[in-house]
Amino acid sequence: GQNIDQPTEMTATEGAIVQINCTYQTSGFNGLFWYQQHAGEAPTFLSYNVLDGLEEKGRFSSFLSRSKGYSYLLLKELQMKDSASYLCAVMDSNYQLIWGAGTKLIIKP
Amino acid sequence: ETGVTQTPRHLVMGMTNKKSLKCEQHLGHNAMYWYKQSAKKPLELMFVYSLEERVENNSVPSRFSPECPNSSHLFLHLHTLQPEDSALYLCASSLGQGEPGELFFGEGSRLTVL
Repeated sequence: GQNIDQPTEMTATEGAIVQINCTYQTSGFNGLFWYQQHAGEAPTFLSYNVLDGLEEKGRFSSFLSRSKGYSYLLLKELQMKDSASYLCAVMDSNYQLIWGAGTKLIIKP
Repeated sequence: ETGVTQTPRHLVMGMTNKKSLKCEQHLGHNAMYWYKQSAKKPLELMFVYSLEERVENNSVPSRFSPECPNSSHLFLHLHTLQPEDSALYLCASSLGQGEPGELFFGEGSRLTVL
């Protein structure tokens, strides 16, 4: 079966760095997505990785290793507004999105 | 503001009621989706429409009935639901279906079935 694993909840301190991991087992691979979802709001797109390596976008970076079936989302200089759920999703060989259950990130002052 | 609008934002209904969820996208996208989001569970894809034709129905119970009258509007008709159907129902759109691309989500309709 197809599976995406990510931690259920993480806590970090304002101003610090946090890494949210995502491991996957899917039938084929056409890219990995990260979305951010604040409580009561729509998920919004953060990043897309299809090749190995690190993609940096401001305070957020996303890393992919296809051979390991692994990705992480790195958030630097954490702000209180970064408190949200972070959803990892992989597009399989049929271009279907397989979703993780999301990681709830709590930022403390 | 994602360009995808869902109404109502909150809905409470009894098991014998009939109600509908509405989604409208202003992005000129060709594909629209209904997802179910339950606490601590992955998003569940319910229906996919591409150019107003249903291309996928992931074995969803018949008490959920989708309708796509044009490429900008999507409905989810609900009847004789069960309490376990209580969840957040998210609508999304994308430029095309069956290709890598960003999904644009609405804020969801929070459904409670009594």
